[in-house]
Amino acid sequence: EIVMTQSPVTLSVTPGERATLSCRASQSINNNLAWYQQKPGQAPRLLIYGASTRATGIPARFSGSGSGTEFTLTISSLQSEDFAVYYCQQYHNWPPLTFGGGTKVEIK
Amino acid sequence: QVQLVQSGAEVKKPGSSVKVSCMASGGPFNKYSFNWVRQAPGQGLEWMGAIIPIFGTPNYAQEFQGRVTITADDSTRTTFMELSRLRFEDTAMYYCARGPVLPVGVVLVPKYYFDYWGQGTLVTVSS
Repeated sequence: EIVMTQSPVTLSVTPGERATLSCRASQSINNNLAWYQQKPGQAPRLLIYGASTRATGIPARFSGSGSGTEFTLTISSLQSEDFAVYYCQQYHNWPPLTFGGGTKVEIK
Repeated sequence: QVQLVQSGAEVKKPGSSVKVSCMASGGPFNKYSFNWVRQAPGQGLEWMGAIIPIFGTPNYAQEFQGRVTITADDSTRTTFMELSRLRFEDTAMYYCARGPVLPVGVVLVPKYYFDYWGQGTLVTVSS
């Protein structure tokens, strides 16, 4: 099973600032990585797949990078609606598909 | 417009079973994977298994093997997840989520990221 580790667990950011979230895989997953955003009481929403491709309707301030074992989600200028929990997920080796533990982006 | 609509909340006793449904509208039904992901209160996301209707055979996470059954009904565009021998720790929000299946040459290859999600079904296991 591929273990996904996200850091930090909590990220405090001032609106308008950049946020950088990290995700590490326990073995190479090439670029088979997705990022999701989840707000309280809602289902997750796909942001990024293929490590760097934005999903339909996702604003350009969200960008993904990385390959192999190290990945980054960057939110270039945080808006109020971006405060949420973010999960990475690998789909390189399965079963099982595995998620990281999440990073909560909160208002500083 | 794609929508996944799940059945309503359930309260079950330990040792019993629960069956949750997910009806898909918009887009072809049998050329996507339909996955089940659960989230315990205050916790992260956990993939349980998936089915691709055009292939038919489900895949399950080892943790749930023997307790979970995922099926699909093309005629009603509905997938089902049944979890048996329920325990208190199965209390969670259960989501269905759709994944694309892409043609690579003449072969269909599933890509298990999830572009649409259902609204979630809360299953509470309580005595």
